[in-house]
Amino acid sequence: DIQMTQSPSSLSASVGDRVTITCRASQTISNYLNWYQHKPGKAPTLLIYTASTLQSGVPSRFSGSGSGTDFTLTISNLQVEDFATYYCQQSYSSRTFGQGTRVEI
Amino acid sequence: QVQLQESGPRLVKPSETLSLTCSVSGGSISNSNWWSWVRQSPEKRLEWIGDVSHGGTTYYNPSLKSRLTISLDRSRNQFSLKLGSVTAADTAVYFCARLLNGRHMENWFDSWGQGTQVTVSS
Repeated sequence: DIQMTQSPSSLSASVGDRVTITCRASQTISNYLNWYQHKPGKAPTLLIYTASTLQSGVPSRFSGSGSGTDFTLTISNLQVEDFATYYCQQSYSSRTFGQGTRVEI
Repeated sequence: QVQLQESGPRLVKPSETLSLTCSVSGGSISNSNWWSWVRQSPEKRLEWIGDVSHGGTTYYNPSLKSRLTISLDRSRNQFSLKLGSVTAADTAVYFCARLLNGRHMENWFDSWGQGTQVTVSS
């Protein structure tokens, strides 16, 4: 199984900050990496697919990069509605998620 | 915009079968998409459970495969999950989702339900 490791597990930030979350795969996964946002009691939402493609309707302050084993989700100019938990997920072999990164005030 | 909604019993006894249904609106499950189940543990870890294609082909998480059945009900535009011989470790929030490009390595879950809490307890 491919293991996905996110860092940090949680972070504190303020409105307007630039936030970076990293995701590392236990083996190369090319660019088969997706990012999701989840708020408690809500449906998760797709932010980024294939490492860097912004899902339709997602604000441009979200961006993704990386390939191989190392990936990054960046939120520039953090907004109140961005406080949530973020998950990466690989689709190279079966489907596995990272453990999540909680972004809090 | 497709919408998904999970339904089913919230409490299941150990050793019994967990059964959930996902109702899909705003699109047909018989088009070219795949349909999936994902669960979130009490520790907030997400685990992919399995998929079913519009044609009925299934793809299961190997760790759950021996206990798992995912199927389509085209007449009701629903798909379902059955997980047998449950234990406390199966306690989770269960989500249904649409999987785009399910036949390809480049695939992603683009629409999700809100999830339903299922507790395994006697």
